[in-house]
Amino acid sequence: GENVGLHLPTLSVQEGDNSIINCAYSNSASDYFIWYKQESGKGPQFIIDIRSNMDKRQGQRVTVLLNKTVKHLSLQIAATQPGDSAVYFCAEVNAGNNRKLIWGLGTSLAVNP
Amino acid sequence: EPEVTQTPSHQVTQMGQEVILRCVPISNHLYFYWYRQILGQKVEFLVSFYNNEISEKSEIFDDQFSVERPDGSNFTLKIRSTKLEDSAMYFCASSVRQGDGYTFGSGTRLTVV
Repeated sequence: GENVGLHLPTLSVQEGDNSIINCAYSNSASDYFIWYKQESGKGPQFIIDIRSNMDKRQGQRVTVLLNKTVKHLSLQIAATQPGDSAVYFCAEVNAGNNRKLIWGLGTSLAVNP
Repeated sequence: EPEVTQTPSHQVTQMGQEVILRCVPISNHLYFYWYRQILGQKVEFLVSFYNNEISEKSEIFDDQFSVERPDGSNFTLKIRSTKLEDSAMYFCASSVRQGDGYTFGSGTRLTVV
């Protein structure tokens, strides 16, 4: 059979602009969330995480916001650079379920010079 | 920085053949995982392994799949009789704690022809 790839949401930004990537998670029991960056042909690379007792966490040029009321997670990248071009995945971990990662679909970020 | 190492980076095999994908997790990690990603799709959980036994497996992880930690450093995924639909990127990951602090390897691209 033929594998038909899912059409990833795509965000296109100009170099230097701020990027916001959104993610809706599925399980209200999830208590830990992670953003990963995946460049072509490479494995997922950890960017930033947040626990459910927080609603905001900042890293270097990245900020994660968590809204548990609407089960929404966002990743903000400040001053986006060409090296930020990648697919970004959010992942959730819930308290039960052996705490395995449940991955979102991913968003493709394209940075235009 | 410690890394999870996977070999080979690319494996081509004929349908029906057995393949073994190899991983060297981070040395002080206790939890080990295999995930796969079919081209253009999201990352899917296959199996988690702790204390020398499988702690959880997904529906994908059927009787054709097995995992082993043959010595103190390697963690392998075996597919007994490969099918075309097994073609995917296979990622190994390890963590110190369950569901937390994952580190992913760069993956093995398996192509079944």
